[in-house]
Amino acid sequence: SYVLTQPPSVSVAPGKTAAITCGGHNIGRKPVHWYQQRPGQAPVLVIYYDNGRPTGIPERFSGSNSGNTATLTISGVEAGDEADYYCQVWDGSTDHFVFGSGTKVSVL
Amino acid sequence: EVQLVESGGNLVQPGRSLRLSCAASGFNFDNYAMHWVRQAPGKGLEWVSGISWNSGKIGYADAVKGRFITSRDNAKKSLYLEMHSLRPEDTALYYCAKDWAMTVEVDAFDVWGQGTTVTVSS
Repeated sequence: SYVLTQPPSVSVAPGKTAAITCGGHNIGRKPVHWYQQRPGQAPVLVIYYDNGRPTGIPERFSGSNSGNTATLTISGVEAGDEADYYCQVWDGSTDHFVFGSGTKVSVL
Repeated sequence: EVQLVESGGNLVQPGRSLRLSCAASGFNFDNYAMHWVRQAPGKGLEWVSGISWNSGKIGYADAVKGRFITSRDNAKKSLYLEMHSLRPEDTALYYCAKDWAMTVEVDAFDVWGQGTTVTVSS
């Protein structure tokens, strides 16, 4: 089965840039979606199809995907960005959706 | 307002059954695929099942295949998850999520409910 690997945690100072990686075999060939989950809340889609941004998501959130790594970048990090972030892909070989293990972003 | 509201979660003994429901409002329910995603306490997200707009394609995670059944009633704007032979490892918060598109593949989940809790314990 397809495996997505994320770092367990990322720490970043307010106003700086956070980069959250999502590793997978040839992930650059697959559309990647990203979700934000604040404590005690349901997930929210923040990036779709590698770098699309849903209505209402700040421009500070951006995405890229190439080779074996997809990346969610949060520029000008704010305290409200503290959350768990998950990447997601569709594995066509198994007809399953797959989520990464999640990355906890802490704002120092 | 686009909204998904799950219900039916409960404490249940191992081996028993449970049925979850998800009521949709604020969008054309029959135009979109729908999914169940679960989250065990303190753990990450796990896709459970997805169903296409017309129920023509239904997919299941390996962990639940053969025990869980997903269905939908477009007239009632509702999604269902029948859970059988429940195990302690099925204990989780179960989310209902709307797909971006009509089919169960590739696309993102753009609307999520708040979830309903299933606890499997004797």
